[in-house]
Amino acid sequence: DTGVSQDPRHKITKRGQNVTFRCDPISEHNRLYWYRQTLGQGPEFLTYFQNEAQLEKSRLLSDRFSAERPKGSFSTLEIQRTEQGDSAMYLCASSHGLADYNEQFFGPGTRLTVL
Amino acid sequence: DQQVKQNSPSLSVQEGRISILNCDYTNSMFDYFLWYKKYPAEGPTFLISISSIKDKNEDGRFTVFLNKSAKHLSLHIVPSQPGDSAVYFCDVEMGKLIFGQGTTLQVKP
Repeated sequence: DTGVSQDPRHKITKRGQNVTFRCDPISEHNRLYWYRQTLGQGPEFLTYFQNEAQLEKSRLLSDRFSAERPKGSFSTLEIQRTEQGDSAMYLCASSHGLADYNEQFFGPGTRLTVL
Repeated sequence: DQQVKQNSPSLSVQEGRISILNCDYTNSMFDYFLWYKKYPAEGPTFLISISSIKDKNEDGRFTVFLNKSAKHLSLHIVPSQPGDSAVYFCDVEMGKLIFGQGTTLQVKP
């Protein structure tokens, strides 16, 4: 399977705990994106990387959130001191990043539940 | 400040009939519009796109229409099939994607 993969698929945690999600993009893709989707809403952009450089961060990405893509391949998204409002589906996507328009390919998402 | 709006949260149509999903946007500077489809427990998948220099793009049963003066686009699915039942998102591409709220389409056999 050469699609975008995310791990874990589900995470249940208690408020105040830290969690980390991983995303493995399609191997030849330079761009990697993180989105968050809450119930009844469309996905909202969080951040994206061109290779290992983090080029844009949304205002949604508070200080408790940090994302990395250390070698320009996989990426991690960490949430510190989780809050109940962080409960959502976290989606990762990747694209070539070599043309004016790039189709983004999404992974299945990580569903986070904060109790 | 919802830049992309899908005002119909759900739509139900009979198999074989036309499905029309609508979307409004706020910024006339947007260049590229897309539709993504999402099944439960899966990530969104790209369906069809249209550039702002066009007013129509067709791909098989799917056609997207763009009305720039009205800042409106629509997705037509003809004929609709039960496998089309999914959530459809209207998107604007600006490096990142800006999603609408989604419309859940149910196609009844």
